[in-house]
Amino acid sequence: EAGVAQSPRYKIIEKRQSVAFWCNPISGHATLYWYQQILGQGPKLLIQFQNNGVVDDSQLPKDRFSAERLKGVDSTLKIQPAKLEDSAVYLCASSLMGGGTDTQYFGPGTRLTVL
Amino acid sequence: AQSVAQPEDQVNVAEGNPLTVKCTYSVSGNPYLFWYVQYPNRGLQFLLKYITGDNLVKGSYGFEAEFNKSQTSFHLKKPSALVSDSALYFCAVARDTGRRALTFGSGTRLQVQP
Repeated sequence: EAGVAQSPRYKIIEKRQSVAFWCNPISGHATLYWYQQILGQGPKLLIQFQNNGVVDDSQLPKDRFSAERLKGVDSTLKIQPAKLEDSAVYLCASSLMGGGTDTQYFGPGTRLTVL
Repeated sequence: AQSVAQPEDQVNVAEGNPLTVKCTYSVSGNPYLFWYVQYPNRGLQFLLKYITGDNLVKGSYGFEAEFNKSQTSFHLKKPSALVSDSALYFCAVARDTGRRALTFGSGTRLQVQP
């Protein structure tokens, strides 16, 4: 079974530039998550999709971050404009249904460096 | 609000010895508890989870975890450590009601010495 795919794996940009990350979840998984993992910390949820609807985006900095999941499969996360503090690994995960008991499966992540 | 504490930044153990990585949690309602492992430049890999039932949960690669409701703990254990177990370990909690996303601890680095 193919896992969660993410691209690019690494990205270096200057502050105030924009950047986009792509995620393809495990086939058949209805729920997709984006997490931000700052160095030395655990992952923090940014946004959760159930099919193509948003379930939880309470910790998403909406003035600069946006995400979409068209057709309920692939998803993109965008940052515009980027700040130095956005340097982190952005992890995408998927799960079958999205309940609290569901196991989330993670992709390899995108490491973003903002200079 | 829910939270997870991993009190040790790093745990050092000799190969062949038993290991324990500690985790305590705070959540309203029934907790769902997870352990993940992260190797360098890779995403998180699922090890095991506690939902209900037997307090001792067995998972991948010989790991197990014990749920203790009175102490609100979910410590990860392995009877005999391997050098290849060296990695970053994260404990996480989810709720059974309301916001059900995972809340992660800050992680514990396990170093197994040959």
